[in-house]
Amino acid sequence: DAGVTQSPTHLIKTRGQQVTLRCSPKSGHDTVSWYQQALGQGPQFIFQYYEEEERQRGNFPDRFSGHQFPNYSSELNVNALLLGDSALYLCASSLVPTEAFFGQGTRLTVV
Amino acid sequence: AQSVTQLGSHVSVSEGALVLLRCNYSSSVPPYLFWYVQYPNQGLQLLLKYTTGATLVKGINGFEAEFKKSETSFHLTKPSAHMSDAAEYFCAVSSPGNRDDKIIFGKGTRLHILP
Repeated sequence: DAGVTQSPTHLIKTRGQQVTLRCSPKSGHDTVSWYQQALGQGPQFIFQYYEEEERQRGNFPDRFSGHQFPNYSSELNVNALLLGDSALYLCASSLVPTEAFFGQGTRLTVV
Repeated sequence: AQSVTQLGSHVSVSEGALVLLRCNYSSSVPPYLFWYVQYPNQGLQLLLKYTTGATLVKGINGFEAEFKKSETSFHLTKPSAHMSDAAEYFCAVSSPGNRDDKIIFGKGTRLHILP
């Protein structure tokens, strides 16, 4: 079992651009959550997908959007990138709420 | 609304000494509580969790934590620190019973192990 895999591991984007991050959940997991971890901070909840729909959303602007595919994999899209969007983006998958597994993250740098 | 407060952004202990990382939570419903560890340039690994039942929970790598409802605390301990324990530790809370299973994290405590 490969666990939760995220791609890419690192990327650099320019202000104003758009970015797509990808997540493959752990085998058998149907729920995917995305978190943003700024440098020196704890992860902050962006949103959660279940059955291809956004089930919960944190306090993030509409520039942050997502998608879940029938195979439970997920994408996080960020439009009109700001310098403040630079962070480690973590994906977590779960089958039950008490057992969330995290990927290694995607380090996004906006310049 | 739920929240987590971790006391001390940096904690230093000598190798072989007791590790104590403090966490207090706020929740209007019975909480699920977690401790995660993050090594440099890595994702998060679950150390231990409290859901219901026994208030003293044991996790991986010799860590344990005790849920104290009266003190709204969930402190993490390890009797004897090892150099490999140096990492960032996050306390977290969620409330799945309320169909709200997002995880709310504290700001983290960086544990330094002194030789």
